[in-house]
Amino acid sequence: DIQMTQSPSLLSASVGDRVTLNCKASQNIYKNLAWYQQKLGEAPKLLIYNANSLQTGIPSRFSGSGSGTDFTLTISSLQPEDVATYFCQQYYSGYTFGAGTKLELK
Amino acid sequence: QVQLKESGPGLVQPSQTLSLTCTVSGFSLTSYNVHWVRQPPGKGLEWMGRMRYNGDTSYNSALKSRLSISRDTSKNQVFLKMNSLQTDDTGTYYCTRDRSRGVMDAWGQGASVTVSS
Repeated sequence: DIQMTQSPSLLSASVGDRVTLNCKASQNIYKNLAWYQQKLGEAPKLLIYNANSLQTGIPSRFSGSGSGTDFTLTISSLQPEDVATYFCQQYYSGYTFGAGTKLELK
Repeated sequence: QVQLKESGPGLVQPSQTLSLTCTVSGFSLTSYNVHWVRQPPGKGLEWMGRMRYNGDTSYNSALKSRLSISRDTSKNQVFLKMNSLQTDDTGTYYCTRDRSRGVMDAWGQGASVTVSS
């Protein structure tokens, strides 16, 4: 099974900061990676698919990059409404989620 | 508008069977795959299984012996049944739509399930 490792598990940042979240796959998954945002008490929401494609309706401050085993979600200018837990998910072989990165305001 | 909604009992006794229903609207079950994903309280997401558009199913190997997914296309519903429930099966259960190859672009609100006597 493919394992997904996210880092850091907790990230504190200020409004306006550029924020980078990391996701590492245990084997090559090419670009078969999605990112989801989950706010407290809500269902996850798709942000990015195919590693770098922005889902319709998602603000352009969100971007994804990477391929193979190493991936990044970047928020170019953090907004208060971005406080949430972010999960990566591979769909190259089966479906596996990372444990999440909790993003909070400093 | 694409919508999914889970329904089922909020409380299940240990060793009993969980039955959940996912009712969808805004898309056809014969055109899209639907997944079940669960989340223990305060923890991460676990993929449980998938109903393909053609009626085929696949399951997480860790749950396969206890899990069954079926559907009724005439009612736009996908069903999850899982037996021999234990306390660590407590959590929120989501059904999701698969836009393509496993990308989950729409999620239900989730059904909270507590396993307790």
